[in-house]
This record gives sequence, structure tokens and C-alpha cells, in this order.
Amino acid sequence: DVKVTQSSRYLVKRTGEKVFLECVQDMDHENMFWYRQDPGLGLRLIYFSYDVKMKEKGDIPEGYSVSREKKERFSLILESASTNQTSMYLCASSLPSYEQYFGPGTRLTVT
Amino acid sequence: GENVEQHPSTLSVQEGDSAVIKCTYSDSASNYFPWYKQELGKRPQLIIDIRSNVGEKKDQRIAVTLNKTAKHFSLHITETQPEDSAVYFCAAMLTGKLIFGQGTTLQVKP
Repeated sequence: DVKVTQSSRYLVKRTGEKVFLECVQDMDHENMFWYRQDPGLGLRLIYFSYDVKMKEKGDIPEGYSVSREKKERFSLILESASTNQTSMYLCASSLPSYEQYFGPGTRLTVT
Repeated sequence: GENVEQHPSTLSVQEGDSAVIKCTYSDSASNYFPWYKQELGKRPQLIIDIRSNVGEKKDQRIAVTLNKTAKHFSLHITETQPEDSAVYFCAAMLTGKLIFGQGTTLQVKP
């Protein structure tokens, strides 16, 4: 059974702080993704990675960066958190061109 | 790039009725179309998917149809039950990325 875990379910940070969100998958999937979910906007892709040390920008990469040093781990970094980054963040993993499996999400609040 | 439009944004049906959610996509190169169900407070989970070489796929009470010419695909749920209440997302895959629709909140009234 595929398992995708995220480091925190809830997180509260202050404006300007550096924030790290971590995602780990145990199915040896090549692809990993970070989305943010906001009401009425669906899931929007922030960054994705096809392989270790590889990353590609999604539709809304501004204000975010990522790191993938190991195949099973994909980190999302908010260099300087802002209030408009308050959102639900979802990580996902998949084999190429197959179903994506999602983590439980991290609800981030930036005050 | 790809764009996916999903309608309606909310849908309310009586238990036992059918529900239909429709999506259109813009890039004819998209080749994989999954549907996800997200219950309140939970992660999205795949309920059915279809690839571009197939026109229809069915799994018990759930079916998906794909019209490549018109670039639209639909989710059909028959004999709806209260546990079908959730947010449903369609998506289209292009160059390995999924582009999601805005979501449909389905409410099934007992």
C-alpha cells in the first residue's frame, strides 16, 4: 500500500520566516509533486521533480523553492513566508504517467 | 499550456439519483484523465481514470466518458448515496503533469 507522509498536519508561522515542508514516499516513485489547494481554485502545481536533484516549475512557483536530495523525499521551501501563502499544501508521488498518490496535507497559516 | 474547466462547482442531488460532472480541456495532446474524490479533511483519492485510447470506463456505480474530438470528459455516478458527498476533481495529464479542474462539491441528500 502506497504511503505518502508529510512532516506536519498544521503549521503556524510568522511573516518573513523560512518554512520547510517535507514529504516522504515509500513506493520508489520517480515523480513527486507539490500543490497548494485553495477554495474554488482546485489544486495548483507549485513544483515537481522527475528524479533526484531534478526539479521543474509548475504553474505557481513564485515565492517557493524545492529540494530533492533523495528519491523518497521532496521538500518545499518558503524562503520568506507571506500571508498570501496561507493555504493547504499537498504532496503527491507517482510513477511516470500514472495515478498520483497524495499525502494528508499541511495546513499552513502565516500570520 | 493545458487548462481544465470543471462544471458545476456545486451539485445537490437526492439519494438514489444520478450525478454528472463535466470537464473540458484545452490541449489535444493530453492523454490521461483521472478523477479524484476528496472527503472533508482528507486527501484526494483516485476513484476512476481513463486514457485517451478509450471512450468509456465503468466501475460499479461510477463511469467516465471521454470525447477526444470535443475535448471533454465526464464523471457519472448512479444510485448516489450519502457517502458519495465530497469534492470531486477532474484532471488532465500533459507531459507528466496533472492539471486539475476547480472542483465540484457534491451533496447527496438522504
